[in-house]
Amino acid sequence: QKEVEQNSGPLSVPEGAIASLNCTYSDRGSQSFFWYRQYSGKSPELIMFIYSNGDKEDGRFTAQLNKASQYVSLLIRDSQPSDSATYLCAVNDPRSGGYQKVTFGTGTKLQVIP
Amino acid sequence: SQTIHQWPATLVQPVGSPLSLECTVEGTSNPNLYWYRQAAGRGLQLLFYSVGIGQISSEVPQNLSASRPQDRQFILSSKKLLLSDSGFYLCAWGGRGPETQYFGPGTRLLVL
Repeated sequence: QKEVEQNSGPLSVPEGAIASLNCTYSDRGSQSFFWYRQYSGKSPELIMFIYSNGDKEDGRFTAQLNKASQYVSLLIRDSQPSDSATYLCAVNDPRSGGYQKVTFGTGTKLQVIP
Repeated sequence: SQTIHQWPATLVQPVGSPLSLECTVEGTSNPNLYWYRQAAGRGLQLLFYSVGIGQISSEVPQNLSASRPQDRQFILSSKKLLLSDSGFYLCAWGGRGPETQYFGPGTRLLVL
């Protein structure tokens, strides 16, 4: 069973629309959740993190966390072609101690159509 | 601000040859350091992590090794590369608080 699951996509949305990316995780003890954006051929870039249930907004990005249902989502408002990338969800391993292990999903590819 | 460097950016090596990839971090002290590999179409696999100089832990058994000779330097090595070692190697650093990790630009390795 995968610890962090994401739909691989591609998810295609028209320019200006809201893109909704979802992630589920298996460890109920996880406390920290991260979204990374990875352009083709590049390294992942951290765009959001969330620790508490509810929504966290940063510009056009909103992260949503529901610990009871064990899912975390990322909403991108007013999607732009430059948002086209693979989005990786990452979840902390609560048993990793001082070295702070996170487990990554395989990512969802987003395509924003002009 | 913190900066993380990796080199080389790309590398093509024959099977059986040695490997040395280097990662350095600037602008922070005593970071946690990580080596990941991303195979084509696959997720990020944690290979090694280090919480301090000379302290290396391996996540998966493999053909690779890691060393941390200085506080902000992390090296990934192999004595003899395998075809299966091909991939995108990413170094990351993290602080002591929440588990936020920041990635370097990566090294793309092709073993032929």
